Amino acid sequence: DAGITQSPRHKVTETGTPVTLRCHQTENHRYMYWYRQDPGHGLRLIHYSYGVKDTDKGEVSDGYSVSRSKTEDFPLTLESATSSQTSVYFCAIAGLAGPNNEQFFGPGTRLTVL
Amino acid sequence: GESVGLHLPTLSVQEGDNSIINCAYSNSASDYFIWYKQESGKGPQFIIDIRSNMDKRQGQRVTVLLNKTVKHLSLQIAATQPGDSAVYFCAENIKGTYKYIFGTGTRLKVLA
Repeated sequence: DAGITQSPRHKVTETGTPVTLRCHQTENHRYMYWYRQDPGHGLRLIHYSYGVKDTDKGEVSDGYSVSRSKTEDFPLTLESATSSQTSVYFCAIAGLAGPNNEQFFGPGTRLTVL
Repeated sequence: GESVGLHLPTLSVQEGDNSIINCAYSNSASDYFIWYKQESGKGPQFIIDIRSNMDKRQGQRVTVLLNKTVKHLSLQIAATQPGDSAVYFCAENIKGTYKYIFGTGTRLKVLA
């Protein structure tokens, strides 16, 4: 998985609770992304980062927040989880030379919100 | 567990035959494209990429063709093997942006 780890791999939580999904990379890549994957949809971008302390929203960012205090970590927080956020979440990284390069994915986190 | 769509288009091929998976991309400003393979319960795995200044690129047993006129990508897998069974999808990167757009995918089933 190109030096990307995600934790936890599986989580079950209740509506209204805060949840943080973690993504850690050992590749020193500048660009990091969070996606969600749901049946019938392609991967949809939640948030991305183009450097330390530089983040921006993707197409489905409502209800999610991110931070990037270090190159290697890009946590995704659900401030108050809802059932619509039940999904599989993938973190991805892209290379040093710019965004127009291979994007590699982590193993994913399956989140269930009851 | 299943992590991709339950009603994806499916391509069934006999082991040893060649497979062709197609993708229509959405944005004429996209200039970089990737094919991914995703097995059940795993993250997408990079297979091959191509830039818009090329029409064809070959890897090990895989070839990607790009037709910019009709905004179409294809992935050809030679001598398909059981281990090739997975969902395949394409991604496009819009020139000058950090964002990628992903297709919903095609399920490839290899018949013994």
